[in-house]
Amino acid sequence: AQSVSQHNHHVILSEAASLELGCNYSYGGTVNLFWYVQYPGQHLQLLLKYFSGDPLVKGIKGFEAEFIKSKFSFNLRKPSVQWSDTAEYFCAVNAQTNAGKSTFGDGTTLTVKP
Amino acid sequence: GAGVSQSPRYKVAKRGQDVALRCDPISGHVSLFWYQQALGQGPEFLTYFQNEAQLDKSGLPSDRFFAERPEGSVSTLKIQRTQQEDSAVYLCASSSPFRGQGGYTFGSGTRLTVV
Repeated sequence: AQSVSQHNHHVILSEAASLELGCNYSYGGTVNLFWYVQYPGQHLQLLLKYFSGDPLVKGIKGFEAEFIKSKFSFNLRKPSVQWSDTAEYFCAVNAQTNAGKSTFGDGTTLTVKP
Repeated sequence: GAGVSQSPRYKVAKRGQDVALRCDPISGHVSLFWYQQALGQGPEFLTYFQNEAQLDKSGLPSDRFFAERPEGSVSTLKIQRTQQEDSAVYLCASSSPFRGQGGYTFGSGTRLTVV
């Protein structure tokens, strides 16, 4: 069975600070990896995804994530956060042999102070 | 439509009542997924359809939960004899590429409160 662990439940940053949200997964096979974001009052949206190839993937709004296979990690980063990045962030994984079923972490709430 | 549409947005049910939650996916999306999200947690997989075929229902918590997608478009999640532990947000998502490899487009969810 696969599982996802997001280490930080709540992160508070000031504008322009750098962001890194941790995500580790547990699964022995080949995976697809995702980050989703949920802005206040909105639905979950796909931020970025990794299937294969370059382990550094870039998403919308200046976000990027790096897949480190040896560490089973897929951390989300942004060099300089904005107040509008305040949201809840979810990491998710599915097995490439069963991509119909994704496992999500419990989310990290990011609060950016202006 | 432009996005995944779910109805109702909010549902309050008395314990023991049956409820039906509707999902209208993006037109042409082959794959449709239902997730349950409890307060403070991430979405938990319930079931998955490819067109009208229910390929995985391993996440349905009990035989009180039933999902269908008879014509390969709109889907309904039915919960019979609701219990307080069924209170959660029920999310529907659809995906164009085969299975979930492309990532999901989510609806806004239905918040079910069982009293």
